This record gives sequence, C-alpha cells and structure tokens, in this order.
Amino acid sequence: DIQMTQSPSSLSASVGDRVTITCRASQTISIFLSWFQQKPGKAPNLLIYAASSLESGVPSRFSGSGSGTDFTLTISNLQPEDFATYYCQQSYSSSLTFGGGTRVEIK
Amino acid sequence: EVQLVQSGAEVKKPGESLKISCKGSGYRFSSYWIGWVRQMPGKGLESIGIIYPYDSDTRYSPSFQGPVTISADKSISTAYLQWSSLKASDTAIYYCARRDCGGDCRGGFDIWGQGTMVTVSS
Repeated sequence: DIQMTQSPSSLSASVGDRVTITCRASQTISIFLSWFQQKPGKAPNLLIYAASSLESGVPSRFSGSGSGTDFTLTISNLQPEDFATYYCQQSYSSSLTFGGGTRVEIK
Repeated sequence: EVQLVQSGAEVKKPGESLKISCKGSGYRFSSYWIGWVRQMPGKGLESIGIIYPYDSDTRYSPSFQGPVTISADKSISTAYLQWSSLKASDTAIYYCARRDCGGDCRGGFDIWGQGTMVTVSS
C-alpha cells in the first residue's frame, strides 16, 4: 500500500505570506497526485490535480509541483480565506491514500 | 451541474446495521468510479474504497479497517456504503467522491458529496 507523508502537520502564517507544504510518497507515483483544501464543517475541495494542474475556478496563487515521490503545494500571497487544512492524495494505486493533512493557521 | 448528494445524518446503536447513499447527477454515473472516504472526529481523511458502477468492480483500501460493503445501482445513479454491525468507533463523517475517470485509470477525486454524519452510541 502506498503511504503519503505530509509536512508540516501544522503551520502559522500571516496574510500575504508564501506557504509551502510538502508531500512524499513511499514509492513512485509519477504525477498522480492531487491537493485538496478543507474548511471546518465542509467537504474537501479539489485545488490541484496531476501534481501541477490547477482546477477550474481555483485562484492562481495556488500552485503544485513535483513528480515521482516528492511533491509541493505552494500558496503565494496567503489570503484570509486560505486558512484551512490541506491534504494530498495519490491516485497511482486504487487505494487512493491521503496524506495526514496540514493545518494552516493565522499567526 | 455535476453533483453528488448524500443521505442524511444517522444515529444508531452498536450492533445495528446501516446503509448510506450517494446519488450522482449531471453526468453519466456509470462511467466514473465513486469512492468513499471516512473522517473521524477531528482527524484526517481515510480512503475506504472505490466502485465502478458500470460493472460493479469494487476495490477496498488495504489500510482501512472495516468491515464495510460498497455497492452501487447504476439504474438509479446511486452508490452505497453499508455496515452489518456498527461499532462506536464507526462514528465519523463519511464522504462519497467521484474519481475523474473510468475503467483502468489513475485519476483522483474531483467532485465530493456533502458528507453523512454517522453517530454510533448506546
């Protein structure tokens, strides 16, 4: 089973900051990696698919990169509505495992 | 509009059975995998398994400790998640989500249901 390790598990940042979250797969997954944002009491929302493709309607301050085993989600110019929890998910195998999540809090 | 609408919140006692549903609309339901995801209180997302409504091909995540059963009825565009004997540890929000592809593919989830809260308590 493919394990996904996200870091950090939480971070504090200010509006306007640049934030980077990393996700590492236990084996190569090519570019089959998605990123989701989840706010309290809401379902997750797709931000990035295929490692670096921006989902329609998602602000361009969100970007993704990486391939193989190491991936990054970057939020440039952090906005108040971006304070949430972020998850990566691999789709290389049908287990579709998630990372443990990164909570982005206001500093 | 493509959407998944899940059944409402449930409160059950340990040992009871339960079947929750997820109805798709706005797209060809049988052509896309549907997955189920658990989120225990205050915790992260865990993949339970996926089903391809076209032929009912079902795959469970090896790391998920069930037991649960995933099924689908493509004639009414609905997927199901069921338990035969609930435990208190099954208390969680359960989400369904559409995988953005069908058949032999490697796409991720793109559309999510609103979630179903399941509470198991004596």
